Amino acid sequence: AQSVTQLDSHVSVSEGTPVLLRCNYSSSYSPSLFWYVQHPNKGLQLLLKYTSAATLVKGINGFEAEFKKSETSFHLTKPSAHMSDAAEYFCVVSDGNSGYSTLTFGKGTMLLVSP
Amino acid sequence: NAGVTQTPKFQVLKTGQSMTLQCAQDMNHEYMSWYRQDPGMGLRLIHYSVGAGITDQGEVPNGYNVSRSTTEDFPLRLLSAAPSQTSVYFCASSYSISRFSDTQYFGPGTRLTVL
Repeated sequence: AQSVTQLDSHVSVSEGTPVLLRCNYSSSYSPSLFWYVQHPNKGLQLLLKYTSAATLVKGINGFEAEFKKSETSFHLTKPSAHMSDAAEYFCVVSDGNSGYSTLTFGKGTMLLVSP
Repeated sequence: NAGVTQTPKFQVLKTGQSMTLQCAQDMNHEYMSWYRQDPGMGLRLIHYSVGAGITDQGEVPNGYNVSRSTTEDFPLRLLSAAPSQTSVYFCASSYSISRFSDTQYFGPGTRLTVL
């Protein structure tokens, strides 16, 4: 069975400082991993995904994530936060174990950005 | 390309009423799914479909019914609404269910309140 743990329910940063959102996963197979962002009262938008190619994945809006198999982690980072980054972020795993792909979502991390 | 569309955006029901949440996609995607989002729970899979005429249950299927008569449409039916079904519902689609690295595209959501 696959699972995802987002280690922080809320993260607060100041504008211009680095962002780190932590995610650990569990999967019996080589997984695909995703980060999605949800702005208030909006749908989910893909930020980036890892699919067994390069372990450092670059996404939209300056975000990136590094897949570390030994640590079963896929943490999301950004060098400098912007006010528009304030949103909820979801780490998602998919391993196709059942033959079909099903997504398992983390419970989300709310990113708060102060001026 | 409209992407994934959902109607209605908001709905209030009384306990025991039935209704159908509509979902459509114009990307010729094989795979469609329904999720519910509750505070602090992330997104949980209700039902999914791997093609016209084929559906299966997800993590939280009780109280919901689905069918897939065309590639484009995947309606979600609440047979007898209960307050526990108050949630935000998201429909998603992707090109292929068997390629678990595929990006899922999400609709804007339906906010349902059951009184």
